[in-house]
Amino acid sequence: QPVLTQSPSASASLGASVKLTCTLSSGHSTYAIAWQQQQPEKGPRYLMRVGSDGSHNKGDGIPDRFSGSSSGAERYLTISSLQSEDEADYYCQTWGTGIRVFGGGTKLTVL
Amino acid sequence: EVQLVESGGGLVQPGGSLRLSCAASGFTFRSNDMHWVRQITGNGLEWVSTIGTAGDTYYPDSVKGRFTISRENGRNSLYLQMNSLTAGDTAVYYCASAVAGQGALNIWGQGTMVTVSS
Repeated sequence: QPVLTQSPSASASLGASVKLTCTLSSGHSTYAIAWQQQQPEKGPRYLMRVGSDGSHNKGDGIPDRFSGSSSGAERYLTISSLQSEDEADYYCQTWGTGIRVFGGGTKLTVL
Repeated sequence: EVQLVESGGGLVQPGGSLRLSCAASGFTFRSNDMHWVRQITGNGLEWVSTIGTAGDTYYPDSVKGRFTISRENGRNSLYLQMNSLTAGDTAVYYCASAVAGQGALNIWGQGTMVTVSS
């Protein structure tokens, strides 16, 4: 089954951009993933699906500041014009027949 | 408004049982795969179970044989029966949904806390 690897933490300044990475395990580089955001003390929120071709489909109400892309086994989430409310945990998630898999999450700090 | 609302969490003794419920509204429940995901305090998200639109069910090894997921389309409701609970099952449990056949969980509830302790 696929394994997703994320850096535990990232930081960027208010108004800047940040690119978070999710890496698929060997043999699973064609898998699509979903990005989920979890703000402090809240449930997760779906941001977007990112395909192996870099195509992405955002959830309702997700600002244009959020975008997704791909390169090989890596899937990216780019957040531009960072705002304080973007400080959150970001998880990537993938799936196979009968399974769902989450990455360990990246804690984003907005400085 | 698209919404998932969990209930049924609480304090239970080790070895005990608990049944969680999830009420869905604002979307066509019967057309969506449904899932339970949990989160131990301070940790990441862990997939717990899935039920497809045809009633097919899936579990990770950590809960297989102890947890049972079910759905009642007429009531727009999802359930999780948890038996033989241990301290390791202490977590916030989230109900989540995905369009049938699509893997991305795109609707989430707010979660319900389950504490297993004597």
